Parts: sequence; structure tokens; C-alpha cells
Amino acid sequence: EAQVTQNPRYLITVTGKKLTVTCSQNMNHEYMSWYRQDPGLGLRQIYYSMNVEVTDKGDVPEGYKVSRKEKRNFPLILESPSPNQTSLYFCASIPWGGTGELFFGEGSRLTVL
Amino acid sequence: AQTVTQSQPEMSVQEAETVTLSCTYDTSENNYYLFWYKQPPSRQMILVIRQEAYKQQNATENRFSVNFQKAAKSFSLKISDSQLGDTAMYFCAFMKPRGAGNMLTFGGGTRLMVKP
Repeated sequence: EAQVTQNPRYLITVTGKKLTVTCSQNMNHEYMSWYRQDPGLGLRQIYYSMNVEVTDKGDVPEGYKVSRKEKRNFPLILESPSPNQTSLYFCASIPWGGTGELFFGEGSRLTVL
Repeated sequence: AQTVTQSQPEMSVQEAETVTLSCTYDTSENNYYLFWYKQPPSRQMILVIRQEAYKQQNATENRFSVNFQKAAKSFSLKISDSQLGDTAMYFCAFMKPRGAGNMLTFGGGTRLMVKP
């Protein structure tokens, strides 16, 4: 089954404690992306990756890091989380070129105290 | 860069009636896709309908249809015979199929409440 898997789905942490949200897809997609969802702001892009070892900043990259060492995985790293990073996070995986398909993970609800 | 605007933060409709959610976008691309996604309280993103920009015919999926006006860069969603289960947040999204940068841009969302 084609899917995007995010973990953890829920996390409560404290300011400054490093955490990683994993994202994995089994469709061999080139493009992967992270979004955060906040009330009234829709989904805003944090980082994206067009292929292995190719990543770039989205609209709201501050406080986040990513890596793309393998095609299937695109982890989101919060080196020193702060309360303003409390949000709902989505990973998306998109095949390159003209198919019009999108695949989302189920979302990760992160709370930073 | 693309922008997507949903001008109605919240809407409500009586069960069995029809409601239209608005979406406008701005792009210099000629080939692209437009989507409406539904997000119920479970938070999962559920595809409602998809439109390919090169197709003039408006997409329909059962009770859901769109009014796609490419020249006006408008992409509204019509929900007919509204049901209680349609209560959710709805996001309009724009996707370009290739090229550098952000492939996928979302609007701010419209919270729809269907009342019994």
C-alpha cells in the first residue's frame, strides 16, 4: 500500500530538548516536504527536498533542520524546540512531473512546553 | 511564487442545503493542479477533488463539484446536499508538477459547519 508514515503522531516535550519527527514514503518519490499547520495560517512549508542530498528552505525554516540521506526518508529535526514551534506537522510526498498526486502523512501534533 | 487565498475563514450551512467555498490563486504557471482537501477533527488530510488546469471541464465527485475559472484564477468548491459529516476544515491547494521551489501551496483554510 502506498503510504507516507510519520512518527511520532503526538509528542509533548520541553523547551530545548532536541527531537526528530520522522517521515518515510514507500513510493520512490523524488519530492518530499514538511509543512506546519497553524490556525488561520493554513499549511506553511518548512523545508522541501527535490531528491537525495538536495534540500532547501521553505517559507518558515527558522528553528528546523532536515536531511535527505535516503530517498524514502525525510526527517524533521528541532535542535532546540521552543513554544512557538507548537503546531501540527505534515509530511508530503509528491511524484515528480505531471501526475497530480499528493500523499500526506497522518500528521504529528507537537507541543513544546 | 504561488499564492492561494481563501477569503472565508468560517462558513455554516443547514443540512441538505448547498454551500460554496471560495478560492483564488495567483501564478505565472500554465500547467498546474488544484485541489480541495478536507480535514476532519481526526486531522487527516482527505482529498475531496482535483482539477487539472489544462482541462476546461469542471471536476465533479458525487456531491462535490468545482467552478474552475482559469482566466480569473478562481477555484470554488460547491457542496450539494450538505451532510453533518461534511463538517471540517477545507483547504484549497495549488501544485505545479515540476520545477524548483515550493511545488505545493495551501490557502489559509475555511472551517465549515453543517447544522442539523
